[in-house]
Amino acid sequence: NAGVTQTPKFQVLKTGQSMTLQCAQDMNHEYMSWYRQDPGMGLRLIHYSVGAGITDQGEVPNGYNVSRSTTEDFPLRLLSAAPSQTSVYFCASSYSGLTGATLSPTDTQYFGPGTRLTVL
Amino acid sequence: DAKTTQPTSMDCAEGRAANLPCNHSTISGNEYVYWYRQIHSQGPQYIIHGLKNNETNEMASLIITEDRKSSTLILPHATLRDTAVYYCIVAIKYNNNDMRFGAGTRLTVKP
Repeated sequence: NAGVTQTPKFQVLKTGQSMTLQCAQDMNHEYMSWYRQDPGMGLRLIHYSVGAGITDQGEVPNGYNVSRSTTEDFPLRLLSAAPSQTSVYFCASSYSGLTGATLSPTDTQYFGPGTRLTVL
Repeated sequence: DAKTTQPTSMDCAEGRAANLPCNHSTISGNEYVYWYRQIHSQGPQYIIHGLKNNETNEMASLIITEDRKSSTLILPHATLRDTAVYYCIVAIKYNNNDMRFGAGTRLTVKP
């Protein structure tokens, strides 16, 4: 298993540009999420999804859109980048406990390697 | 409204046990204690979790007080590669959207 993969690793944008951060997992996890981490701080949840076709907002959703058309992929879109969105972005996935009638064995989150985004 | 309180930083000598404390005085009966760590520039990595009993795995031990208001993560023989930020989180199981990664404790293992 490749686990959770993120592309690109690094990105520089100009204010107002748009882009999509890609996240994919091959563990058949229902739950996927996006976090951002600013220097010296912990992670803050942007958006999450408990399954294909279902998304919801986290702590800091403004300026970001997500969609979940497949179990494997959970892209994060910045519609009009701002310098305040300069950060490191992490994608994570886990079982959600909603698989059929049996609780999934664990809700451990697996994180990707991160995307470092700079908005000038 | 942080659910946990951790020291900002700690040092530990290589080969010695590292004991990382966490206070969670407002923990609810159905909330678990989770520990993750983040080695420089990498994504966080799961370590261990527990509800009320002490837990041990290949990475660490988790000691939860009887009143569940605090816990300690123990790395029994710290190595230089254990230098990282350690996050203590309380959350209801399978509610990962409720997890809050605060500033954590920066553990530095010294030779």
